[in-house]
Amino acid sequence: ETGVTQSPTHLIKTRGQQVTLRCSSQSGHNTVSWYQQALGQGPQFIFQYYREEENGRGNFPPRFSGLQFPNYSSELNVNALELDDSALYLCASSLDGQGYQPQHFGDGTRLSIL
Amino acid sequence: QKEVEQNSGPLSVPEGAIASLNCTYSDRGSQSFFWYRQYSGKSPELIMFIYSNGDKEDGRFTAQLNKASQYVSLLIRDSQPSDSATYLCAFSPPGAAGNKLTFGGGTRVLVKP
Repeated sequence: ETGVTQSPTHLIKTRGQQVTLRCSSQSGHNTVSWYQQALGQGPQFIFQYYREEENGRGNFPPRFSGLQFPNYSSELNVNALELDDSALYLCASSLDGQGYQPQHFGDGTRLSIL
Repeated sequence: QKEVEQNSGPLSVPEGAIASLNCTYSDRGSQSFFWYRQYSGKSPELIMFIYSNGDKEDGRFTAQLNKASQYVSLLIRDSQPSDSATYLCAFSPPGAAGNKLTFGGGTRVLVKP
């Protein structure tokens, strides 16, 4: 069984640039969630996709956007990068979007903004 | 008040002892609770989930849930140096679309040989 995979593992960008992060969900999982984790803090929910539809969004500005593909893989796009966007970006998948379903995380993408 | 409160630690525990971690949450209607372990520089790894009041045991880990008092705890028995990590408490709020997780800031545990 293949787990959650994310790419790239590390990325360095400058302010104002745009970035796309990618995630492949665990086999059999149709729900993908994205989280941002700043150093020393717990992950913060960005948004979730269930069967290609956005299924909830956290307190992040519209320059954070995403999509989910028919194979349930997902992308997170961030426009107009700011210094505060430097963080570990985590993708998690679950069997479906039910509240009791555990989420399993990928290894994350560490994004540094210069 | 934060939605999820955890003592940031570090919680220093001698090898072989029991580590006790606590987490309180503000949303009384929350139904599903999760404990994740996160090693430095790595991603969170699910170690326990609990939905009903009472205890749930899995190997050396025991999760305890008390919905009336709005707390969930994690016990690690026979602590090993490999248990040294940050432990994140999370819950899935009621009525939320999907199963988004709200995390606490984590408790850092140090197991000393």
